[in-house]
Amino acid sequence: GQQVMQIPQYQHVQEGEDFTTYCNSSTTLSNIQWYKQRPGGHPVFLIQLVKSGEVKKQKRLTFQFGEAKKNSSLHITATQTTDVGTYFCAEVLQGAQKLVFGQGTRLTINP
Amino acid sequence: SQTIHQWPATLVQPVGSPLSLECTVEGTSNPNLYWYRQAAGRGLQLLFYSVGIGQISSEVPQNLSASRPQDRQFILSSKKLLLSDSGFYLCAWSRTTSTDTQYFGPGTRLTVL
Repeated sequence: GQQVMQIPQYQHVQEGEDFTTYCNSSTTLSNIQWYKQRPGGHPVFLIQLVKSGEVKKQKRLTFQFGEAKKNSSLHITATQTTDVGTYFCAEVLQGAQKLVFGQGTRLTINP
Repeated sequence: SQTIHQWPATLVQPVGSPLSLECTVEGTSNPNLYWYRQAAGRGLQLLFYSVGIGQISSEVPQNLSASRPQDRQFILSSKKLLLSDSGFYLCAWSRTTSTDTQYFGPGTRLTVL
């Protein structure tokens, strides 16, 4: 079945360094969503990307959707300790009323 | 505004015992409802989803079952728990469009001993 591959699985950075997680699919994605899960918490929706080549920003977070709509990335500039958590991408399955989540990238930060 | 509740928050159960986890949504009608399981440090595995009362789609064969007796109530059950059923169980809802955001409940942390 369809699935999105997310890399890296883990990332440890020094506070202030940048961080990027990537989501890749072998098939064209209709759209993609990003979620953040804080340690011990539940996933919280961040953003949805729909258009080819789309770039959206939320403060220090930049989300991109590839031109071919087969990959997406989340980049955090100058990480802060509040960015700690696991970031998931999720593929929207058109007409199926469900999402397929990537395995997530767990971000830890050294203050 | 919409809210989603799950209970209990934590649960410790012996192997072979039954299970019932409940999820309710307030402030919306006819939501899509979802049950996920997350093993420690792992991703989200979709277990069941429902687009309406009595309509349940199972994603993974297992000893769990789900029911939706009311529009905004989703129940996850098992007759006999296995050690491998331990995990973090998350309920989520979305509006009835496939592209809509999913809103997650606080989760139930289940330990089977």
